[in-house]
Amino acid sequence: EAQVTQNPRYLITVTGKKLTVTCSQNMNHEYMSWYRQDPGLGLRQIYYSMNVEVTDKGDVPEGYKVSRKEKRNFPLILESPSPNQTSLYFCASSLHLAGGYEQYFGPGTRLTVT
Amino acid sequence: GEDVEQSLFLSVREGDSSVINCTYTDSSSTYLYWYKQEPGAGLQLLTYIFSNMDMKQDQRLTVLLNKKDKHLSLRIADTQTGDSAIYFCAETHNTDKLIFGTGTRLQVFP
Repeated sequence: EAQVTQNPRYLITVTGKKLTVTCSQNMNHEYMSWYRQDPGLGLRQIYYSMNVEVTDKGDVPEGYKVSRKEKRNFPLILESPSPNQTSLYFCASSLHLAGGYEQYFGPGTRLTVT
Repeated sequence: GEDVEQSLFLSVREGDSSVINCTYTDSSSTYLYWYKQEPGAGLQLLTYIFSNMDMKQDQRLTVLLNKKDKHLSLRIADTQTGDSAIYFCAETHNTDKLIFGTGTRLQVFP
């Protein structure tokens, strides 16, 4: 089954404790990205990756890092989480087509930073 | 910059039609999308329309695009309680990056 998986689904942590949210897709997609969803703001892109070892900042990259060592995985790293990073995070992947025909989204990771 | 706007809430009676509206500012948008998010779930692509079309119908869903006014709408015919969700409008311009609206929460009551 074609899918994007994220782990963990729920995470409560404390300020400053490094964490990683994993994302994996089994569709051999080139393009992957991370979004955060906040009430009244919709989804905003954090980082994206066009292919292995190619990553770039989205609209809200501050406080986040990513890596793309393999095509299927695109982890999101918070080196020193802060309460303003409490949010719902979504990973997505797609074939890199002009116009971005269809993106597949993971089920989301709800992060709370106290 | 690019901006996509939607009203926050819509409430309809079961069996009626729902119309969810969206406006965008990027006149060079190539694809416009509607995503559905059910409680506790990720985003599911409902339908999309290419910018050179003005209408697309898919079963109970009708998408209308007014490119001149930069207005996109999603009509759901015979709305059911299972249609209760948040609906996001999104657009792209020759990239895979999606610019999302704030989402419209649709509530369907009996």
